[in-house]
Amino acid sequence: EAGVAQSPRYKIIEKRQSVAFWCNPISGHATLYWYQQILGQGPKLLIQFQNNGVVDDSQLPKDRFSAERLKGVDSTLKIQPAKLEDSAVYLCASSDGKDSFQETQYFGPGTRLLVL
Amino acid sequence: DQQVKQNSPSLSVQEGRISILNCDYTNSMFDYFLWYKKYPAEGPTFLISISSIKDKNEDGRFTVFLNKSAKHLSLHIVPSQPGDSAVYFCAALVSGNTPLVFGKGTRLSVIA
Repeated sequence: EAGVAQSPRYKIIEKRQSVAFWCNPISGHATLYWYQQILGQGPKLLIQFQNNGVVDDSQLPKDRFSAERLKGVDSTLKIQPAKLEDSAVYLCASSDGKDSFQETQYFGPGTRLLVL
Repeated sequence: DQQVKQNSPSLSVQEGRISILNCDYTNSMFDYFLWYKKYPAEGPTFLISISSIKDKNEDGRFTVFLNKSAKHLSLHIVPSQPGDSAVYFCAALVSGNTPLVFGKGTRLSVIA
C-alpha cells in the first residue's frame, strides 16, 4: 500500500512570495491533516479535513495560510505572502476516518520550506 | 504551554542495551498515546500506541508503559540496535479524532 505522498520535498523562496504544497493521502483515508514542524519542535496541527470538510483550522494563520481538499482526496496548502518565521517542515498525515474514537495517523515525508 | 513534554533532548545507549525514552503530559483528558520515530528528511513513522485503559503494550522489541496517576509514559526498546537511532516523538490525543499533540522529541543514538 502506498504511503502519504507530498511534493515538493524542498522549497526555497523569498519573503513575501507565495508557495503551495501538495499532499496525496493513503488511498481510502477520509481524514487528512497538515502539520507545521519548526526546527527543534514537535509537529503542530494547522488544519484537519474530514473528506472535503474542515474539522479544525483553529491554529491556521488564516491571514496568510489557506488549504483545500476539493474532492476529498488530494489537498493543497498555500502560504501567501510568506514570512521568515514560516520556515519549517510541512507534514501531511492521513487516517482512515472509520474509527472516530482512536485513530493512528500516517505521515508523509514532508516539504521543507526555507524563507529567505 | 507544553501539554506533552519530553524532557531529554538526547539519549545515547550501547547496542544491545535497553533504551528508555520518557514522556510526561499535563492534560488529564488525553486517553490515547502514540510514539513516532523520525529519521532525517523523512516524516514521522508510527511505532506503537497505547490506550488509557491499558498500562502496557508490547510489540516486538518495543514496549510502552503508561502510568496514568503520574501522567507519564515511557518507551522501552530492548535490545537497542544501531538502526533505532532516530528522533522519537511522544504524542497524545483526546478520543474523538482530535489533533495529535506532540512533544519536542528525543534524539536516540545507539552506539555499536
